[in-house]
Amino acid sequence: AQSVTQLGSHVSVSEGALVLLRCNYSSSVPPYLFWYVQYPNQGLQLLLKYTTGATLVKGINGFEAEFKKSETSFHLTKPSAHMSDAAEYFCAVSDKAAGNKLTFGGGTRVLVKP
Amino acid sequence: EAGVTQSPTHLIKTRGQQATLRCSPISGHTSVYWYQQALGLGLQFLLWYDEGEERNRGNFPPRFSGRQFPNYSSELNVNALELEDSALYLCASSSRGATNEKLFFGSGTQLSVL
Repeated sequence: AQSVTQLGSHVSVSEGALVLLRCNYSSSVPPYLFWYVQYPNQGLQLLLKYTTGATLVKGINGFEAEFKKSETSFHLTKPSAHMSDAAEYFCAVSDKAAGNKLTFGGGTRVLVKP
Repeated sequence: EAGVTQSPTHLIKTRGQQATLRCSPISGHTSVYWYQQALGLGLQFLLWYDEGEERNRGNFPPRFSGRQFPNYSSELNVNALELEDSALYLCASSSRGATNEKLFFGSGTQLSVL
């Protein structure tokens, strides 16, 4: 069975500061990994995904994530936080045996302080 | 192009009643996924339908059920509602055969059980 752990349910950053959201996964097969963002009262929107190839993945809104197999991690970063980044972020791993079924982490809510 | 649409946006029921939630996938998508997002519990996988068949089911009791229609839209039914069923229910769709492709999410149905 696959699982995802996101360290920190809440993160507070100052505008312009680095955003770092941690994600560790457990998978018995090579994983496909995703980061989704959820703005208030909305559904989830894909930020970026890792399937194969380059381990540093760039996504929308200036976010990027690095797949580190040795650490079973897929941390999300953004060099400079913007007020519009305030949202909840979810890391997910796909289950190849179940089509596109995603297993999500518990989510990290980001607060951006002016 | 229309995204994934869910109805109703809000639903208020009392304990013991039944709730029906609806989802229309993106045109051309044949797979529909249902997730429950309860407060403090993250996103939990409920059901996956593809080509009218239930393909996978999460760890939920049988009173959670659904179906997919020939036009690929889907219904989620929750019988004998309990207070802890109060949650945001998200529907997502993906295209046929697109393994490990991203899921497109709707904005959800907020179910409140009183």
